[in-house]
Amino acid sequence: DQQVKQNSPSLSVQEGRISILNCDYTNSMFDYFLWYKKYPAEGPTFLISISSIKDKNEDGRFTVFLNKSAKHLSLHIVPSQPGDSAVYFCAASDGNDMRFGAGTRLTVKP
Amino acid sequence: EAGVAQSPRYKIIEKRQSVAFWCNPISGHATLYWYQQILGQGPKLLIQFQNNGVVDDSQLPKDRFSAERLKGVDSTLKIQPAKLEDSAVYLCASSFSDEQYFGPGTRLTVT
Repeated sequence: DQQVKQNSPSLSVQEGRISILNCDYTNSMFDYFLWYKKYPAEGPTFLISISSIKDKNEDGRFTVFLNKSAKHLSLHIVPSQPGDSAVYFCAASDGNDMRFGAGTRLTVKP
Repeated sequence: EAGVAQSPRYKIIEKRQSVAFWCNPISGHATLYWYQQILGQGPKLLIQFQNNGVVDDSQLPKDRFSAERLKGVDSTLKIQPAKLEDSAVYLCASSFSDEQYFGPGTRLTVT
């Protein structure tokens, strides 16, 4: 059961441009959403989160947008840098369970 | 602050053999998770501990997988006997609030 979906397995952008990673969820009980970044041979690291009471959270170059009515969230990275190349996982929590999407591999080309 | 430690980092075994993984969470984190991440998929929760008690093990294949966290700190995850489909990265994570902190994972290959 895929309660959290990342429909784009990969994304390639030019350095300096905006990267937009998307995530959809089905469970309306999810009230906290997170993005994790994963480099090869390392565990996922927490990047940014958003509570369902907000529709936007910004941290430096990273901004997460939440559209509750559409059950959709997105991660914007601007400007994108080559060091941002990694797999990005979207995660959603209902306070008890956390479910992860399958990930999107972002490649930022110099 | 030291991160979540896991060992071994890599393990290759034959099917039907047994294997155990170890995790040391971040100091003070009461909640510990074991995830299985199959190539091309997101992490899937196997078991969640709160201190030394099991909170959720609904997705743990209990006929072959077991986990314990006896003193509420370190944890071990065991597979006995292993199957080919158990080949995956096994991630341990710990948390004290909503954000989970992950270890580097153990990559298991079952041949």
